[in-house]
Formats: sequence, structure tokens, C-alpha cells
Amino acid sequence: EAQVTQNPRYLITVTGKKLTVTCSQNMNHEYMSWYRQDPGLGLRQIYYSMNVEVTDKGDVPEGYKVSRKEKRNFPLILESPSPNQTSLYFCASSFSTDYEQYFGPGTRLTVT
Amino acid sequence: AQSVTQLGSHVSVSEGALVLLRCNYSSSVPPYLFWYVQYPNQGLQLLLKYTSAATLVKGINGFEAEFKKSETSFHLTKPSAHMSDAAEYFCAVSELSQGGSEKLVFGKGTKLTVNP
Repeated sequence: EAQVTQNPRYLITVTGKKLTVTCSQNMNHEYMSWYRQDPGLGLRQIYYSMNVEVTDKGDVPEGYKVSRKEKRNFPLILESPSPNQTSLYFCASSFSTDYEQYFGPGTRLTVT
Repeated sequence: AQSVTQLGSHVSVSEGALVLLRCNYSSSVPPYLFWYVQYPNQGLQLLLKYTSAATLVKGINGFEAEFKKSETSFHLTKPSAHMSDAAEYFCAVSELSQGGSEKLVFGKGTKLTVNP
């Protein structure tokens, strides 16, 4: 089954404790991206990747890191999480932005 | 940079009534345009996509959208709302970034409520 998986689905952590949210897709897609969804602000892109070792900043990259060492994986790293990073995070993949984006189920992160 | 404006963060209709969700974009060239739907506690899924082949695009679940270049609009419609249409709807446009790569820009979303 074609899918995008994210782990964990729910995470409560404390300020400053490094965390990684994993994202994996099994569709051989070149394009992957991370979004955060906040009430009233819609989806905002954090980082995206056109292919292995090619990443670029989205609209809200501050406080986040990504890497794309393999085509299928695109982890999101928060080196020092802060409460303003409490949000719902989505990973998505596609062949390119002209094609349908396949979204993961989301990761709800709470930073206290 | 591209921007996407969805008029109305909340829209409420009666079951069986017309659904109209508005989307305007800013672009000097025809972009790729999308509508996505997000049901409660789920990720987003594609409703339909405009790629310049036809100005009227039909999607899943009876939805359609019309691309109007003169108005830079891509409004989503459905003739008769069903209770199961209650969800949040996002308009999106793809654009070339300054570095030459592409990114996808989403509107802020419109939450549709369907009343019995």
C-alpha cells in the first residue's frame, strides 16, 4: 500500500530536549516536505527536498533541521524545542509539486 | 512570491444546498492549482487539480472547480452538500522559488459545516 508514515504520532516533551520526527514514503517520490498546521494559520511549509541531499527552506524554517540521506526518508529535527513549536506536523511526498502530495497522518507535538 | 487567499475561514451550509468555497491566487503566469480536503483528525487528501488542460476541473465526491485567469480565482463548488462533506478545505498553488526549485503554497483553509 502506497503511504507516508510518520513517527511518533503524539509527543509531549520539555523545552530544550532534542527530538526527531521520522517520515518515510514507499512511492519512490523525489519531492518531500514538512508542514506545520496551526489554528487560523493553515499549513505552513518548514522545509522541502527536491531529491537526495537537496533541501531548501520553506516559509518557517527557524528552529528546525532536516536531512535527506535516502530517497525514502526525510526526518525533521528540533535541536532545542520551544513552546512556540507546539503544533501539528505533516510530512508529504510527491514526484514534484505539480503532482498530488501524499500526506502522512500527522504528528501532534506539545513542548512544555 | 505566490500567495493564496481563501475568503471565509468558516462556511456553513444546509444539507442539499450549494457549496461555494473561494480561492484567489497571485501569479503572473498560470500556475498549478490544487484543492485538498482534511477530515477531522486526518491528513490532507487531494480533491482536484488544475493543470491548464481544461478550465473546469472535476474532482472526487462531486466537487469541481473553475479556473478563471481574468479573476485569478479557482473557486470550489458542489451542487448539493452532504453531511459527510464537513471538513476543512485548502487551496494550494505551486510556484518556483528564487533558487529555481519548486514549492507549494497553501491557503489558510476554510472549515465547512453542513447543517441537517
